[in-house]
Amino acid sequence: NAGVTQTPKFQVLKTGQSMTLQCAQDMNHEYMSWYRQDPGMGLRLIHYSVGAGITDQGEVPNGYNVSRSTTEDFPLRLLSAAPSQTSVYFCASSYLGEQYFGPGTRLTVT
Amino acid sequence: GNSVTQMEGPVTLSEEAFLTINCTYTATGYPSLFWYVQYPGEGLQLLLKATKADDKGSNKGFEATYRKETTSFHLEKGSVQVSDSAVYFCALSDPGNNRKLIWGLGTSLAVNP
Repeated sequence: NAGVTQTPKFQVLKTGQSMTLQCAQDMNHEYMSWYRQDPGMGLRLIHYSVGAGITDQGEVPNGYNVSRSTTEDFPLRLLSAAPSQTSVYFCASSYLGEQYFGPGTRLTVT
Repeated sequence: GNSVTQMEGPVTLSEEAFLTINCTYTATGYPSLFWYVQYPGEGLQLLLKATKADDKGSNKGFEATYRKETTSFHLEKGSVQVSDSAVYFCALSDPGNNRKLIWGLGTSLAVNP
């Protein structure tokens, strides 16, 4: 099993550009989530999904969109990147309360 | 509301020292409690967990006991190694949605040889 995979590992965007962070899991987990990690702020939940076709907002959803068309994939879209979105982004899937994290995407917005 | 409070870091220890990282929580109901570890440049991974009061979770020499009377889940290790240098996160399962976790801010640990 590959577990949770994320692409790309690093990305630099200019303000106003859009992009999609990819996340996939091969464990057939229904619950998936996106976090951002910033120094001194811990992990903050952006969006989550309890299954294909169902998504909901977390603590900091503004500026991000998600969709869940399959159990495996949960992409995160930045529609118009801002410097405040410079962060490390983690995708996770969950089973029985345990979360399994991907390796992260380090995003810089200039 | 439900929350997790961890001791602030960074914590710096010498190899073979005793480690305690404090974690206290506020929650309604009976959440499960977790410790996750994040090594440099990596994602988080589950270190240990406890699902009910007085349970002790253990892994890789680390231990934590679910104390309902003191609402605590302190992480301990008797003899740390340089390879234990990482950020440690305490978390609890959201009593309203047990697949969602509520996170502490993390405690950075540096172990010097």
